[in-house]
Amino acid sequence: KQEVTQIPAALSVPEGENLVLNCSFTDSAIYNLQWFRQDPGKGLTSLLLIQSSQREQTSGRLNASLDKSSGRSTLYIAASQPGDSATYLCAVKGNAGNMLTFGGGTRLMVKP
Amino acid sequence: DGGITQSPKYLFRKEGQNVTLSCEQNLNHDAMYWYRQDPGQGLRLIYYSQIVNDFQKGDIAEGYSVSREKKESFPLTVTSAQKNPTAFYLCASSIRGLDYGYTFGSGTRLTVV
Repeated sequence: KQEVTQIPAALSVPEGENLVLNCSFTDSAIYNLQWFRQDPGKGLTSLLLIQSSQREQTSGRLNASLDKSSGRSTLYIAASQPGDSATYLCAVKGNAGNMLTFGGGTRLMVKP
Repeated sequence: DGGITQSPKYLFRKEGQNVTLSCEQNLNHDAMYWYRQDPGQGLRLIYYSQIVNDFQKGDIAEGYSVSREKKESFPLTVTSAQKNPTAFYLCASSIRGLDYGYTFGSGTRLTVV
């Protein structure tokens, strides 16, 4: 059964720092990986979707990479801002049909 | 704008009551999903539907029921058999197919009083 782990569980950084969030998964037979952002009490907002054939995707200050063979993805946030404070979740779509398996999330706080 | 609408935003349930959470989408997506989110436990799949008039149990379906009579709608009923229903419930949809991601609604917070 696919398991997805996100490390660290929580992270606090000063504004302006570049940071990396990690996501690992146990079964490398995935179709895609999706990064989401969740603000407190809100739904999930999709940030980036990486297909299994891709190595990375970029959107603004966000860059997500995928190393399928090693079961890892990273989300790089450049020049962090207080508005980036949220929980970030990764999810993989494997061979269990159309289902996503979620990691537990990384709670990010960016201090002014 | 296309999206997913969940209602109500907050819901309170008395012991022994059934309550229904609404999920509507205008994205023309075939597949819809219900997740439960508890603090420190991540998202767990309750039910999913890949097509109208068909749905499947997820990992934690006991105490819940769903219907999928229309493509746009996938309501979730939390029955009195669900012993610990207090949680944040999230609905999602996607295009049917392995290459596509999910779109989520804004969630419903259910509290037992």
